[in-house]
Parts: sequence; structure tokens; C-alpha cells
Amino acid sequence: QVQLQGSGPGLVKPSETLSLTCSVSGVSIRSSTYYWAWIRQTPGGGLEWIGNIYDSGLTYYSPSLGRRVTVSVDPARNQLSLNLTSVTAADTAVYFCARALYYFDSAGYGYYFDYWGQGMLVTVSS
Amino acid sequence: DVHMTQSPSSLSASVGDRVTITCRASQTTSNYLNWYQQRPGEAPRLLIFAASRSQGGVPSRFSGSGSGTDFTLTISSLQPEDFATYYCQQSFSTPATFGGGTRVEI
Repeated sequence: QVQLQGSGPGLVKPSETLSLTCSVSGVSIRSSTYYWAWIRQTPGGGLEWIGNIYDSGLTYYSPSLGRRVTVSVDPARNQLSLNLTSVTAADTAVYFCARALYYFDSAGYGYYFDYWGQGMLVTVSS
Repeated sequence: DVHMTQSPSSLSASVGDRVTITCRASQTTSNYLNWYQQRPGEAPRLLIFAASRSQGGVPSRFSGSGSGTDFTLTISSLQPEDFATYYCQQSFSTPATFGGGTRVEI
């Protein structure tokens, strides 16, 4: 059974780096069938995609977060990581790791997030 | 970015009611549209992918339709456990974007 378990500090000071880890079980993080993503949910409830990483190591990041974000994997530990630098109060959110399954059809390909971690509340405050 | 607009933002309904939630994209997303349910304190749960295909284990009362820019999630007979917030999400282009959510109150 696929499970994603997130971990990391719940409180980060402004200007510091937010670092979260997601431990994956039940599936290899190196599988080419999936990619892995970080998504956050603001206090107002909105869901925002942060970035994702493919089995090849290719990454895509939200333009709004720019160079502050880095997503990586540790295949030996079957873990996914997120680093977000220079945080501000606007980065206060619940952070989710998620698995994306992509599929092909006649028009191209799509994907959906079929497994999610439990969510981690991260508060940015001094 | 593709902007997703859901309506209504919230609704009240009774057990047994038929409920319809709409999602409109700012540009075509073909049929690359997914629906999620989120109960308080939980992670989102995938209900529908590719606009109309049900994820395994999802009750048959949930269905999706639409293509291009206009999509609909229908709950045919609302149950007490359906109290939740529902989100649409497009996967036509990067970045993936979500609608603002529709809160369903029983």
C-alpha cells in the first residue's frame, strides 16, 4: 500500500530556510510511471502547486516561487525533499507531498495526484 | 497560468439532494481536469480524473463531465459524509492550477 509521510519543523523564522521531507513507502520513488510533487494550502484554503520532480531528476517549479524552491529525491531512502529559502509570513501554509500519475490519450497526456501525505503545518514567525 | 474558477464557493444542501459544482478554465484544458474532495483536517482525495473517469473506490454517486473550459462535478444523492470542500485542478499545462474550492454544507 502506497503511503507518504511528511516530516519537518512546524515553525520557521523569517528569512530562514524551510526544509521538509516526505518518506514514501509501497512504491519506488524511482519509478518512471509517476512523478513527485509538493503542494501547499494557504490559511485561506487555496491550493498552490510548488514543484515536482521526475524519475530522470528533471524538475519544474512554480514561477511565483522562482529560485527560492528546490525539490530533490534520495532514492536510497525513498524520500522526497523540499527546500524553500528566504521564507516570509506568506509562506505559512500546510505543505503536502503527493504522487502524480500521468496517462496518455489521443490528445496528449495528463496527470493527477492520487496519493497525498498527511499535510504539515508550517508557520513562519519570529 | 490557467486560472480555474469554481462556483458556487459554498452551498447548503440536504441529504439525498442532487448537487452540481462547476469549474471554468480561463483557456481550454481539453479534458485534463481532475476533481478532489477534502474533508477538514485531511489531505485532498482524488475523485475524478480526465474530466469524467472515476478513481477506484469512489462511490458511484460522484460523476464528472465537460471538456474544453467548462466542467461539472455532480453528486447524485448527497450523503452525510459528503460534507467537504471540493476542488478542481487542471493538468493541461504547467503549472498545475486549482480552483478556489466549493464548500458543501449539509
